Amino acid sequence: QQQVKQSPQSLIVQKGGISIINCAYENTAFDYFPWYQQFPGKGPALLIAIRPDVSEKKEGRFTISFNKSAKQFSLHIMDSQPGDSATYFCAAFTGGGNKLTFGTGTQLKVEL
Amino acid sequence: DTGVSQNPRHKITKRGQNVTFRCDPISEHNRLYWYRQTLGQGPEFLTYFQNEAQLEKSRLLSDRFSAERPKGSFSTLEIQRTEQGDSAMYLCASSLRRDSDLYGYTFGSGTRLTVV
Repeated sequence: QQQVKQSPQSLIVQKGGISIINCAYENTAFDYFPWYQQFPGKGPALLIAIRPDVSEKKEGRFTISFNKSAKQFSLHIMDSQPGDSATYFCAAFTGGGNKLTFGTGTQLKVEL
Repeated sequence: DTGVSQNPRHKITKRGQNVTFRCDPISEHNRLYWYRQTLGQGPEFLTYFQNEAQLEKSRLLSDRFSAERPKGSFSTLEIQRTEQGDSAMYLCASSLRRDSDLYGYTFGSGTRLTVV
């Protein structure tokens, strides 16, 4: 059972453009939604996270938008740079739980 | 280095052999997690420890898999009688129990297992 669905599978964006990755979840017990960035040969690194009582969170060029009623959230990367080229995973977590449930990932390529 | 350390980084083994991976968490972290990541997929939870106690195991963790954290510090993950389907990246993460604070939930670089 895939509890967190992520799209698109891959994304190509021009340098300076906006990258948008979407996720949807099913389990309403999830109460914390992080995004991870993973480079080849490395483990996932936490990028930004949001709680469902907030509709938007911004950290530098990265913004999470959260729609609790639709059970959807998205990552926006503004002014995308070649160094942002990586695989991005959305995930969901319960405060009382101990495991992250990950989406299937989006491979982002930022072209010059 | 204050991050999560995993060894070896790569392991190639023949089908049917046993393999063991090691994870050294961030020293003050009392929780340790194992995940498995196959190509093109997100990591999937396998098991977690609080101190030396193994508190949760996924159905993905068949009886060929065993994990230990004997003194509440480093952990080992052993796979017996490896199968080609075990080929994956095995990730370790650690955290300090503190409500839902994910900013301490840190992954290592993983051990890539190839079963031939």
